[in-house]
Amino acid sequence: DQQVKQNSPSLSVQEGRISILNCDYTNSMFDYFLWYKKYPAEGPTFLISISSIKDKNEDGRFTVFLNKSAKHLSLHIVPSQPGDSAVYFCAATYLGGGADGLTFGKGTHLIIQP
Amino acid sequence: ETGVTQTPRHLVMGMTNKKSLKCEQHLGHNAMYWYKQSAKKPLELMFVYSLEERVENNSVPSRFSPECPNSSHLFLHLHTLQPEDSALYLCASSLTTGVSSYEQYFGPGTRLTVT
Repeated sequence: DQQVKQNSPSLSVQEGRISILNCDYTNSMFDYFLWYKKYPAEGPTFLISISSIKDKNEDGRFTVFLNKSAKHLSLHIVPSQPGDSAVYFCAATYLGGGADGLTFGKGTHLIIQP
Repeated sequence: ETGVTQTPRHLVMGMTNKKSLKCEQHLGHNAMYWYKQSAKKPLELMFVYSLEERVENNSVPSRFSPECPNSSHLFLHLHTLQPEDSALYLCASSLTTGVSSYEQYFGPGTRLTVT
């Protein structure tokens, strides 16, 4: 059973507009969430994270929002740029999780159109 | 070389072959991870090493055998694989396990095809 879900396999957004990528999770023990970005032929790179004690974290053009009651988080990119075209993975983990690994969603392929 | 490197980048092997994947990190990290990414599936954690000791094995079949000789190197030894093992194998590292494991740095992956 998937504990982290990204229900949109792909998303197309016009350059300059806002991109919103969504992620849902089912494990209420998760207390730290991350977004990774992956270009073809490269490994994922860390983008931004948020702790469950916050509901928003901002870094430049990237903002992550967390709604704990809905078990939902979203990544906002504004304004969207051509270099943002990539696959975005949502990931989650929790303190004392044992493995200390991350649980990933399947990813959303973001395409920024000129 | 900087960051996390993986070799080979592509590997085709028969079901009776034995091969090894190599990962090296140049970040001074103490924790290393193997992940598997199959087509249309999320990344799956396979193994976690902390200071060269395996701390997690996520029910991975014994035909996958990890080895961590030091904190900079991680191997995944493969033998008698099945076609369904074809996937992208990603190595990652983090400063330590625990809180610092939240930010993991990934290598580019090895694309494995089992024929």
